[in-house]
Amino acid sequence: EIVLTQSPGTLSLSPGERATLSCRASQSVSSSYLAWYQQKPGQAPRLLIYGASSRATGIPHRFSGSGSGTDFSLSISRLEPEDFAVYYCQQYGGSLTFGGGTKVEIK
Amino acid sequence: EVQLVESGGGLVKAGGSLRLSCATSGFTFRSYNMNWVRQAPGKGLQWVSTISSSGSYIYYADSLKGRFTISRDNAKNSLFLRMNSLRAEDTAIYYCTRSSNYGPSPFDYWGRGTLITVSS
Repeated sequence: EIVLTQSPGTLSLSPGERATLSCRASQSVSSSYLAWYQQKPGQAPRLLIYGASSRATGIPHRFSGSGSGTDFSLSISRLEPEDFAVYYCQQYGGSLTFGGGTKVEIK
Repeated sequence: EVQLVESGGGLVKAGGSLRLSCATSGFTFRSYNMNWVRQAPGKGLQWVSTISSSGSYIYYADSLKGRFTISRDNAKNSLFLRMNSLRAEDTAIYYCTRSSNYGPSPFDYWGRGTLITVSS
């Protein structure tokens, strides 16, 4: 089973700042089958990024994903108030696993 | 509009059973793989099970094999999860999700979830 480790656990930033979240896999993720999800309190997760770098339908351009192999990242170019949430990475190339999440909170 | 609506959650005693349902609409259900994902209170996401579009292929998280059974009814556009021998650690929100049947795919739509509370 591929273990995904997300860091940091919590990111404290101000609106307008850039956020960079990390997701490290215990072994190579095949064909970059890596996704990112956003979850706000009391809501279901929402797909943001798939294939490591492709934005899902309707996702703003300020969200971008990059990486390959074992190291992946999600960047939010300029944080909007609605972006403060928890973000999860997921690998779906083999047995499906999620990372533990990164909370982006208002500083 | 794609909609996934879970039902069947509630309070159950340890050792008991429960059957979750997910009613879907807004897409061609028989053309998509379907999944269950759960989230314990205040915790992260855990994949539970996947069933292929035809129902021919089924996968479970190793830790849940033998107690949970996923199934689907393509005529009724519905997904199910039968859970037996429930434990306190099964307490979670259970989400129904959709994924493409064209190779490995992320979960592009999620229901709002149904809460299962297992009392010891």
